[in-house]
Amino acid sequence: AQTVTQSQPEMSVQEAETVTLSCTYDTSENNYYLFWYKQPPSRQMILVIRQEAYKQQNATENRFSVNFQKAAKSFSLKISDSQLGDTAMYFCAFMKEDFGNEKLTFGTGTRLTIIP
Amino acid sequence: DGGITQSPKYLFRKEGQNVTLSCEQNLNHDAMYWYRQDPGQGLRLIYYSQIVNDFQKGDIAEGYSVSREKKESFPLTVTSAQKNPTAFYLCASKTPGQANTGELFFGEGSRLTVL
Repeated sequence: AQTVTQSQPEMSVQEAETVTLSCTYDTSENNYYLFWYKQPPSRQMILVIRQEAYKQQNATENRFSVNFQKAAKSFSLKISDSQLGDTAMYFCAFMKEDFGNEKLTFGTGTRLTIIP
Repeated sequence: DGGITQSPKYLFRKEGQNVTLSCEQNLNHDAMYWYRQDPGQGLRLIYYSQIVNDFQKGDIAEGYSVSREKKESFPLTVTSAQKNPTAFYLCASKTPGQANTGELFFGEGSRLTVL
């Protein structure tokens, strides 16, 4: 079974600064996908960024980027120029490649607060 | 607009009662999921369904039941056998077989409180 670990329950950072959220995972699979989801106070889960394990290049979406270290099984999220709207719970998630039977395993989350 | 609708948003239940949470999607997605969210524990998978009339247990299925009679609907019943049902429940859907692009689309959740 796969496990996802987020070791930082809470973090806070000043507006406009950069913050990095950590995530490690454990799997014996070679083909899989990793995700970061955001859950703002409204509780609506939103996909932030995804990474395919077979791609060496780190995914980037505007101010959000990841540092994917496959050998270390590490998948951190970097938020640059943080904004007040980034305040949310952030969940790291893993999905193995299993055609027609995909399911996500989530970490316990990191509560991020952006301080004005 | 396409999306996932969960109802009710808030629900109170007395101990010993069964309760059913509704989840409806108009995204034409085949796969649907139920997750439970507790503080400090993240999201844990209860049940999931890849096609109509078929579903599989997730990691914490005990005390829950589901049905998938229609593609659009995936209701979750919290039975009296669930020992600690107070939680936030999230329904999600996706197109199966496309893990690399098939992100989960979530509803807004249902908060169940057992009195």
